[in-house]
Amino acid sequence: EAQVTQNPRYLITVTGKKLTVTCSQNMNHEYMSWYRQDPGLGLRQIYYSMNVEVTDKGDVPEGYKVSRKEKRNFPLILESPSPNQTSLYFCASSSLAGGGDTQYFGPGTRLTVL
Amino acid sequence: RKEVEQDPGPFNVPEGATVAFNCTYSNSASQSFFWYRQDCRKEPKLLMSVYSSGNEDGRFTAQLNRASQYISLLIRDSKLSDSATYLCVVNRGGSYIPTFGRGTSLIVHP
Repeated sequence: EAQVTQNPRYLITVTGKKLTVTCSQNMNHEYMSWYRQDPGLGLRQIYYSMNVEVTDKGDVPEGYKVSRKEKRNFPLILESPSPNQTSLYFCASSSLAGGGDTQYFGPGTRLTVL
Repeated sequence: RKEVEQDPGPFNVPEGATVAFNCTYSNSASQSFFWYRQDCRKEPKLLMSVYSSGNEDGRFTAQLNRASQYISLLIRDSKLSDSATYLCVVNRGGSYIPTFGRGTSLIVHP
């Protein structure tokens, strides 16, 4: 089954404790991206990747890091989480870059930073 | 002007009604347009792409007006199960980076 998986689905952590949210897709997509969704603000892109070892900043990259060492995986790293990073996070992938094709989203990770 | 703007609603309609949403975009060079559906706090899923000639899928019709820079979504014969948030997505002209609107909330009641 074609899918995008994210882990963990729910996470409560404390300020400053490094964490990683994993994202994996099994569709051999070149393009992957991370979004955060906050009430009233919609989906905002954090980082995206056009292919292995190619990443770039989206609209709200501050406080986040990503890596793309393999085509299927695109982890999101919060080196020192802060309460303003409390949000719902989605990973997405598509076969053509960005808006050129359908984006498939993971189920979301609900992060709370205390 | 925001890159992609949608009326947040909510649109509250009875079953069987016809409802239409618009989405305006600011970048005239935008090339790709989509409507996604998002159920409460779940992942967005593609509803339909929007082509220059317009397209229809069952009760749903999407249209693009490049001159006025907006796309529309028409839902006929609304069902309770159509209750969701509808997200407009436009790719930025000259790049493949998609921009999401904030969504329009639809509530269909009996």
